[in-house]
Amino acid sequence: EAGVAQSPRYKIIEKRQSVAFWCNPISGHATLYWYQQILGQGPKLLIQFQNNGVVDDSQLPKDRFSAERLKGVDSTLKIQPAKLEDSAVYLCASSLLGPSGNTIYFGEGSWLTVV
Amino acid sequence: QQPVQSPQAVILREGEDAVINCSSSKALYSVHWYRQKHGEAPVFLMILLKGGEQKGHDKISASFNEKKQQSSLYLTASQLSYSGTYFCGTVNNDMRFGAGTRLTVKP
Repeated sequence: EAGVAQSPRYKIIEKRQSVAFWCNPISGHATLYWYQQILGQGPKLLIQFQNNGVVDDSQLPKDRFSAERLKGVDSTLKIQPAKLEDSAVYLCASSLLGPSGNTIYFGEGSWLTVV
Repeated sequence: QQPVQSPQAVILREGEDAVINCSSSKALYSVHWYRQKHGEAPVFLMILLKGGEQKGHDKISASFNEKKQQSSLYLTASQLSYSGTYFCGTVNNDMRFGAGTRLTVKP
């Protein structure tokens, strides 16, 4: 079974530039998550989708971050304009249904450095 | 609200035991445990559901006390491969992770 796919793996951009990350979840998984993990910290939930609807985006900085999952399968996370403090690993994850009783599988992450 | 994990770090010798604790201020539906090695994605260990259950595989087990909103991860007779950062994820409406416990197992 193919895992959660993410791209690009690494990205270096200057502050005020924009960047986009792509995620393809495990086939058949209805729930997709984007987490931000800053070095030395636990993953922080940015947004959770159930199919193509948003379940929770309370911690997404909406002035600069946006995410979509138009057809209920793959998803894109965009940052525009980037700030230095956005340097982090962006983890995409998916689960069959919601997180309550289902295993959440993580992709390898997209490492962002903002200089 | 993020769960609180303790301790922040622990160093063991091979064969020693460790306990990692996770507590939440919110009512929980379930608790997930993950291990992450440096530069890699978190890897699922186990889920504990409401009902005060305990689970385990090999020498790693966990308990969940829903009334106290707490979970503990038990590592018995630790191996070098157990080294990494352990995160609990607590589920209310979504899943929030603790700050992690860095476990180092030395020969």
